[in-house]
Amino acid sequence: QKEVEQNSGPLSVPEGAIASLNCTYSDRGSQSFFWYRQYSGKSPELIMFIYSNGDKEDGRFTAQLNKASQYVSLLIRDSQPSDSATYLCAVTRTSYGKLTFGQGTILTVHP
Amino acid sequence: DADVTQTPRNRITKTGKRIMLECSQTKGHDRMYWYRQDPGLGLRLIYYSFDVKDINKGEISDGYSVSRQAQAKFSLSLESAIPNQTALYFCATQRTAGANVLTFGAGSRLTVL
Repeated sequence: QKEVEQNSGPLSVPEGAIASLNCTYSDRGSQSFFWYRQYSGKSPELIMFIYSNGDKEDGRFTAQLNKASQYVSLLIRDSQPSDSATYLCAVTRTSYGKLTFGQGTILTVHP
Repeated sequence: DADVTQTPRNRITKTGKRIMLECSQTKGHDRMYWYRQDPGLGLRLIYYSFDVKDINKGEISDGYSVSRQAQAKFSLSLESAIPNQTALYFCATQRTAGANVLTFGAGSRLTVL
């Protein structure tokens, strides 16, 4: 079992819809959870991160953690074509610092 | 100027050649990482360094070596490149305190023929 798994997609949603991206992790000791966005040929850029103690909302983006089921979600409301990218999930044990990434989910938002 | 600079950005080389990818940063972060990205496989950790005297292997270190010349510089070497090392390589930095956010360089695309 991979430490961090994502559905590689592609996930296709219409413009204005909610895109839901999921990520499962195997290490119950994981403390921090990150979502990165990566456009084709570019480097990953941080969207948001959450700790194990709660969810977070930032503009159109919401990250949610389900510790019991060991998955973290990223919701993108009012999806725009500019949101089309690969979304990478990463987790870490806070005290250790090393991030482990999933394989990424390709999101396509069509007009 | 970019906070994390990788050179070269693109390199085509032949099997058996030695290649060095360089990374320098102006963020003042102690921690530096080298990741490799292949289509459908996400980012896989090659090596990481928590300070100048600390070097650690990641999950796919075979065939690679690194050098931490200074707090700001972390180089990745392929002693004898092989075609399956064709990939996009990213350097990243991370501060020691607070959230473990990684800041990535622009990437180095390596093709081994």
